[in-house]
Amino acid sequence: QVQLQESGPGLVKPSQTLSLTCTVSGGSISSGSYYWSWIRQPAGKGLEWIGRIYTSGSTNYNPSLKSRVTISVDTSKNQFSLKLSSVTAADTAVYYCAREQSVVVLTLFDYWGQGTLVTVSS
Amino acid sequence: SSELTQDPAVSVALGQTVRITCQGDSLRSYYASWYQQKPGQAPVLVIYGKNNRPSGIPDRFSGSSSGNTASLTITGAQAEDEADYYCNSRDSSGNGVFGTGTKVTVL
Repeated sequence: QVQLQESGPGLVKPSQTLSLTCTVSGGSISSGSYYWSWIRQPAGKGLEWIGRIYTSGSTNYNPSLKSRVTISVDTSKNQFSLKLSSVTAADTAVYYCAREQSVVVLTLFDYWGQGTLVTVSS
Repeated sequence: SSELTQDPAVSVALGQTVRITCQGDSLRSYYASWYQQKPGQAPVLVIYGKNNRPSGIPDRFSGSSSGNTASLTITGAQAEDEADYYCNSRDSSGNGVFGTGTKVTVL
């Protein structure tokens, strides 16, 4: 059973960089044809896709966040990471990591982390 | 447009049927997947593709699609089905996109 767990600071100051790591257990992050994704959800609001990284290292980002987002993978640690720069209060949210499967005309997120709340405040 | 639009809220009597819809241009090219989210919990995949349920999801959940609209139907809604539901697909650039979400209340 694949499990994902987010980790990182719960409080980030405005203008600084938010950094989160997702540790994958129960399977190798580099096996299979999976994307590894980040999704966030501000309190009381909907889900927002942030971006994804493929096992090859290729990435896709939400156009609205692209200039501030970097997703990377460390296969030796079975982890992938999110960096979001120049944060503001609008970036306060629960951040989820998830495994994404994509087959031609279908995409789905079959495993999710529990989520971690990141608050942007001075 | 890369948006996926859902009704903000629907209600259903216990044991009755409710359909949740998701509209967007990308659904003409991509299937939707559907997620159930209960308060304080991570989303859970309930339907994907044409009409597929992951292991452990009750068969009262079903999916369908026509044109630019995907639908999630709960047949014989139970109290534990009260939750927020989100659709997901890709936009024309291959980026992920979630629907606006529907809050389902079971009366």
